[in-house]
Amino acid sequence: EAGVTQFPSHSVIEKGQTVTLRCDPISGHDNLYWYRRVMGKEIKFLLHFVKESKQDESGMPNNRFLAERTGGTYSTLKVQPAELEDSGVYFCASSLSTGITNEKLFFGSGTQLSVL
Amino acid sequence: AQKITQTQPGMFVQEKEAVTLDCTYDTSDPSYGLFWYKQPSSGEMIFLIYQGSYDQQNATEGRYSLNFQKARKSANLVISASQLGDSAMYFCAMREGLTGTASKLTFGTGTRLQVTL
Repeated sequence: EAGVTQFPSHSVIEKGQTVTLRCDPISGHDNLYWYRRVMGKEIKFLLHFVKESKQDESGMPNNRFLAERTGGTYSTLKVQPAELEDSGVYFCASSLSTGITNEKLFFGSGTQLSVL
Repeated sequence: AQKITQTQPGMFVQEKEAVTLDCTYDTSDPSYGLFWYKQPSSGEMIFLIYQGSYDQQNATEGRYSLNFQKARKSANLVISASQLGDSAMYFCAMREGLTGTASKLTFGTGTRLQVTL
């Protein structure tokens, strides 16, 4: 069974450009999460989809970030326009829709974004 | 206020020895879960072990065990008989709430473990 896959693995862009990150969750997982880790800091929650609906987007930094999950399958996270402080590793995770505390998240390998 | 605190940015341990990675947490919710994830150099976050706030016994998964001290709000990860492949970043995380609204995990800053010969 395929795990959570993220594309691209690395992206280097200039300030002001647009970047789109993609995440394919494990098949059948209704929950999809985006997280970000800025160098040396904790992994921070960005948002949570249940199927195609945004359940919680309280972690989205600002309106330069747009996440979509059309059809409830894969998700994209677009940053437009990118700023220097957006650099970091963006993780995607998915889980079954059990909604209980011990539900574990399955993570992808992340996208390393560098904004120059 | 930081909800998950990992005070050890880096740790060294000799192969075959045991090591404890510290994690303290802060929550007012009586229902919560604590997780440990491992991130090797490949980048993928790998689930290791889970402890629920109402669990009576400390969780164990193979060479991993969780030293859960509820009154002290600590959930330290113990790795026994360290192997070279244990070298990685280790993240402690918490989910608050029991059912229904349970969703996001809150992570600490991580501890980088290096296993030496």
